[in-house]
Amino acid sequence: QKEVEQDPGPLSVPEGAIVSLNCTYSNSAFQYFMWYRQYSRKGPELLMYTYSSGNKEDGRFTAQVDKSSKYISLFIRDSQPSDSATYLCAMEKGNFNKFYFGSGTKLNVKP
Amino acid sequence: DTAVSQTPKYLVTQMGNDKSIKCEQNLGHDTMYWYKQDSKKFLKIMFSYNNKELIINETVPNRFSPKSPDKAHLNLHINSLELGDSAVYFCASSQEGRREGRSFFGPGTRLTVL
Repeated sequence: QKEVEQDPGPLSVPEGAIVSLNCTYSNSAFQYFMWYRQYSRKGPELLMYTYSSGNKEDGRFTAQVDKSSKYISLFIRDSQPSDSATYLCAMEKGNFNKFYFGSGTKLNVKP
Repeated sequence: DTAVSQTPKYLVTQMGNDKSIKCEQNLGHDTMYWYKQDSKKFLKIMFSYNNKELIINETVPNRFSPKSPDKAHLNLHINSLELGDSAVYFCASSQEGRREGRSFFGPGTRLTVL
């Protein structure tokens, strides 16, 4: 069983929709939580970084962490076709920046 | 200026060959990584170097050997390539101790073993 589980999708939504992307994890040692966006044939780029349980907002993006349920989410408001990409969650236990990635959810936002 | 660069971008080779992938970062980071991304987009860490010292070495066949001549470079040499080595290999860098989780990834090297 992988330490980080993520629904691979694909997820297809109309432009302007609210998108919810989720990951679950099994190891309570994870302390830092990240969301990366990866466009086709490109490297991942960091979108959001959180540490504590609760919400963190950055523009149209909100990252949510529930450590008690071992569940993290990324919400995208007013989704745009340019948001079409694969979204990877990542987690770290707090040492050496060793990240554990989810398998990614492919998102397609239709104009 | 490219923050993390990798060469080559594409690599097509026969089984049994030996090949190298080069990575350079100009961000002044002290930690560099190699990740492997399989066809299902699963990204898994292979190695991590901090100031030229190996700090993470996951369960990777010893046909894979990383080399860090200085803290701005981390190369990956692969001996006796196998079909299962086909994947996209990403180099990344970060600054140890900086807790914003900001790992910068290179554009990837798409390796195809025939």
